[in-house]
Amino acid sequence: AAGVIQSPRHLIKEKRETATLKCYPIPRHDTVYWYQQGPGQDPQFLISFYEKMQSDKGSIPDRFSAQQFSDYHSELNMSSLELGDSALYFCASSLGGMGDEQFFGPGTRLTVL
Amino acid sequence: EDQVTQSPEALRLQEGESSSLNCSYTVSGLRGLFWYRQDPGKGPEFLFTLYSAGEEKEKERLKATLTKKESFLHITAPKPEDSATYLCAVRGVGGTYKYIFGTGTRLKVLA
Repeated sequence: AAGVIQSPRHLIKEKRETATLKCYPIPRHDTVYWYQQGPGQDPQFLISFYEKMQSDKGSIPDRFSAQQFSDYHSELNMSSLELGDSALYFCASSLGGMGDEQFFGPGTRLTVL
Repeated sequence: EDQVTQSPEALRLQEGESSSLNCSYTVSGLRGLFWYRQDPGKGPEFLFTLYSAGEEKEKERLKATLTKKESFLHITAPKPEDSATYLCAVRGVGGTYKYIFGTGTRLKVLA
């Protein structure tokens, strides 16, 4: 079965640079979620989109922005990167605005030097 | 504030030694409680959804149960391939889309 696709899988950036992470949800899934997971920590919710509209917002820094496109893929844009932004970034998708089960992608490992 | 606490933080079992993982939660209204398995450097893999107290779900050697305050993930006769971090998450009612995760239980099953 098709799963959530994330790209790139690994990304290395310098401080103050920008990064763009992409997420392609499971086909027919219309809701996308972004999570940040630091080493040894639980995933922290950043933001979600349903039908291309922001549906919920968590602890996303103002330096980050995200959107969902007409084909339901989503992009997380991160600017003025800081060392503390180094983490695994997961995208998850679900079916329906309040679809309960979220299916996670393999993650993008971002390293900020 | 919604909160999820998992215990123990880490657990080492011998192959075949059954045990249980605990997930205690406080949420104003529970829409669902979710169990995931996460291998190092990989995305969480969905295991179960539980909605109401008394509900139980099973999958191979795993069984999840739910009460009004906590959930248990029972592992029967575990094998080394069951070694992973098991995450519990809750979703509240009221239109929120986000999961609140616990910090997980790192399970190591020794052959």
